[in-house]
Amino acid sequence: GAVVSQHPSWVICKSGTSVKIECRSLDFQATTMFWYRQFPKQSLMLMATSNEGSKATYEQGVEKDKFLINHASLTLSTLTVTSAHPEDSSFYICSAPLRLVLEETQYFGPGTRLLVL
Amino acid sequence: QQQVKQSPQSLIVQKGGISIINCAYENTAFDYFPWYQQFPGKGPALLIAIRPDVSEKKEGRFTISFNKSAKQFSLHIMDSQPGDSATYFCAASIIQGAQKLVFGQGTRLTINP
Repeated sequence: GAVVSQHPSWVICKSGTSVKIECRSLDFQATTMFWYRQFPKQSLMLMATSNEGSKATYEQGVEKDKFLINHASLTLSTLTVTSAHPEDSSFYICSAPLRLVLEETQYFGPGTRLLVL
Repeated sequence: QQQVKQSPQSLIVQKGGISIINCAYENTAFDYFPWYQQFPGKGPALLIAIRPDVSEKKEGRFTISFNKSAKQFSLHIMDSQPGDSATYFCAASIIQGAQKLVFGQGTRLTINP
């Protein structure tokens, strides 16, 4: 199947710093990518939709100035957590849909664990 | 109306048994229903998916049953193995729409050897 990668796989940072997470579709192009946040033992919460060539669309309650998204190319989307605080510590996961003729599959990255001290 | 409700929250099954996880949805516009498997510290991986024009889909030991009139669908894992122990999420989306997946709350499945 298609592969989506994320980098870094984990990051520890000090409160107040910014952290950038990359999401890449390795063997297919994605005009749209999605960013999720997952707390321990909870479901995935969609944060925003990353759109290549245009602004990201954010879900209700997600601060767009806090979580900056840039879809730089058809294979790369980045999520920057600005001025990170301990409450931003979470597991961040991206996904990219691959639409074929009769079906569509959304492939997920391996996730990035962020710990803000 | 965008919610997908999943049950049970946790499930323990003996090796070789059948694991059954259920989901219900409200939005009749949903036309794509995937199941994802997630191991600790990993991203979700697609297990199996179904469109509403069929009532059942089977892939190996995994079967989705779909009841359009009841707006329910379920995952059956036959001959459950310890390696199946993971968290399972059902989801729903509109393929022609924004492709956004709405996830269920997740089921933590434990298969006892």
